[in-house]
Amino acid sequence: KAGVTQTPRYLIKTRGQQVTLSCSPISGHRSVSWYQQTPGQGLQFLFEYFSETQRNKGNFPGRFSGRQFSNSRSEMNVSTLELGDSALYLCASSLGGLVNYGYTFGSGTRLTVV
Amino acid sequence: KNEVEQSPQNLTAQEGEFITINCSYSVGISALHWLQQHPGGGIVSLFMLSSGKKKHGRLIATINIQEKHSSLHITASHPRDSAVYICAVNLGGGGADGLTFGKGTHLIIQP
Repeated sequence: KAGVTQTPRYLIKTRGQQVTLSCSPISGHRSVSWYQQTPGQGLQFLFEYFSETQRNKGNFPGRFSGRQFSNSRSEMNVSTLELGDSALYLCASSLGGLVNYGYTFGSGTRLTVV
Repeated sequence: KNEVEQSPQNLTAQEGEFITINCSYSVGISALHWLQQHPGGGIVSLFMLSSGKKKHGRLIATINIQEKHSSLHITASHPRDSAVYICAVNLGGGGADGLTFGKGTHLIIQP
């Protein structure tokens, strides 16, 4: 079966611009979580969506937002980009719900802000 | 203090050696995950544990809930095992809190 698809794979943006990243989960998975990975901070939780509802958000400014559609695909948006937003953005899909399940990760979107 | 601590940070070993990577956490968790990340960024989930021990091929993962500690073992290590191994935990049930990660262990297996 198809894995988790993230698009685009690479992106270069200018400070002050905004960006939208997309994540298509494995068919049947209703939970999508997003993570930022930088050399300095490692992997950090951004937010998690389950059945179109954001259930939790990590410690990131309001410039970071997201949404989930009825087909479980998710997008995250970063407005007013800063140099420090340069990172690998990963999404992971899971069956979700009230029980813990394993995660399947996408290949990530590498964002460079110049 | 990080909620999830891994050791060692870096490990270089010879092919065939038995490898152990440790993970300690300071908070209550509902599940612990071991992940593997290769250069280029892709992450593969190796194990999810809430108790006991799991084995898959040459990989073994254990968890001691009382001691808040988990270990990942690699038997008969091979150069293709070279990767970053990351311990991550679910703080709540159902994954709503996402994953909280350790800093990772960079493993190099030399032929």
